[in-house]
Amino acid sequence: QKEVEQNSGPLSVPEGAIASLNCTYSDRGSQSFFWYRQYSGKSPELIMSIYSNGDKEDGRFTAQLNKASQYVSLLIRDSQPSDSATYLCAPKINSWGKLQFGAGTQVVVTP
Amino acid sequence: SAVISQKPSRDICQRGTSLTIQCQVDSQVTMMFWYRQQPGQSLTLIATANQGSEATYESGFVIDKFPISRPNLTFSTLTVSNMSPEDSSIYLCSVEGTEQETQYFGPGTRLLVL
Repeated sequence: QKEVEQNSGPLSVPEGAIASLNCTYSDRGSQSFFWYRQYSGKSPELIMSIYSNGDKEDGRFTAQLNKASQYVSLLIRDSQPSDSATYLCAPKINSWGKLQFGAGTQVVVTP
Repeated sequence: SAVISQKPSRDICQRGTSLTIQCQVDSQVTMMFWYRQQPGQSLTLIATANQGSEATYESGFVIDKFPISRPNLTFSTLTVSNMSPEDSSIYLCSVEGTEQETQYFGPGTRLLVL
């Protein structure tokens, strides 16, 4: 059974601080990785994709990938109350586009 | 990114009935995906719908319970058949965008079965 593991949280982060979210995956064949943000009662919104080892930055978000360690992370800099949501890690696990989702990490940014 | 709509946005249904959920995309896409998100849970893939062929179902999901149609490159339906309260979930369709392998979700259909 291929698995994606995330800390469920909640991760409480002071406003302006860095939120660090971690994700490990079991399928060594995964080459593409995605982070989604899901607000309560809403559908998932794609915020980051990463395909190569190393860091990828997009605004306040930085994704980090280490395929050897089967580890992908998301950093949110200068956290804002609007960042309060559940963050879902999703490796792509087959050529058809199937994503396998972790349980998600709930982030709560406190003013 | 693709613009995806779903109908209905929510529904309350009686046990034993069926509901068909529609997913419409504003551009032609090869693959469409149907997910279920049970209360407090993450997303689980139900099936992958490729235009012109039978849908591919994930383990634990069967065609008799969740028949899918994919008549063209912009539209798909998912039917939840013979519903029970355990089928109360959010049902989401998604498509791959034109950007490298990215996948986008529709707004979801919130289903409550009484």
